[in-house]
Amino acid sequence: GDSVTQMEGPVTLSEEAFLTINCTYTATGYPSLFWYVQYPGEGLQLLLKATKADDKGSNKGFEATYRKETTSFHLEKGSVQVSDSAVYFCALTTGNTGKLIFGQGTTLQVKP
Amino acid sequence: NAGVTQTPKFQVLKTGQSMTLQCAQDMNHEYMSWYRQDPGMGLRLIHYSVGAGITDQGEVPNGYNVSRSTTEDFPLRLLSAAPSQTSVYFCASHPTLAGNTDTQYFGPGTRLTVL
Repeated sequence: GDSVTQMEGPVTLSEEAFLTINCTYTATGYPSLFWYVQYPGEGLQLLLKATKADDKGSNKGFEATYRKETTSFHLEKGSVQVSDSAVYFCALTTGNTGKLIFGQGTTLQVKP
Repeated sequence: NAGVTQTPKFQVLKTGQSMTLQCAQDMNHEYMSWYRQDPGMGLRLIHYSVGAGITDQGEVPNGYNVSRSTTEDFPLRLLSAAPSQTSVYFCASHPTLAGNTDTQYFGPGTRLTVL
């Protein structure tokens, strides 16, 4: 079945460091890919998405490119801030039901 | 717009008790779903609904019931709580049936502990 695998966390970085969180997927058909973020004590909110191969999603300085050849959707940010500390989830949907399949989540802690 | 709301925020149950987690959305979204979040496992789909009167099972449906009598509400019922159901529960909605590209909107979650 369809699945998403994320790099293990937690990831601890200093402010202004470069961030990469790896995400790979397995899917039949043509999935849409998402990154969701969960700040402490809150629900999930969409960070960015890409709906077809070679699309780049971007938001708040974060970027991810849909790579069909490597089945990947790695999240990057050039300079992280303390306020980026959160749990990041990679996810996909296929078909028309909109059912999300999530990776296990990666906790990011950014220190001043 | 309140978005997606969930009640209660916290709940403690004893094994064997039943309860209903409430979820409501005011965005007129057709699609609603329930997920549970467990450490190291991400979120897993419990049940979902593509419209009023229509529900279906997700990845981990056992021990849970749902119904969708209105577009706005999608309650999740625990029939006989078990410690394995200790988790954080999220309700989500999105606007269209034909939109696997659509953004899902999540509620703030209900933290459930079963003793």
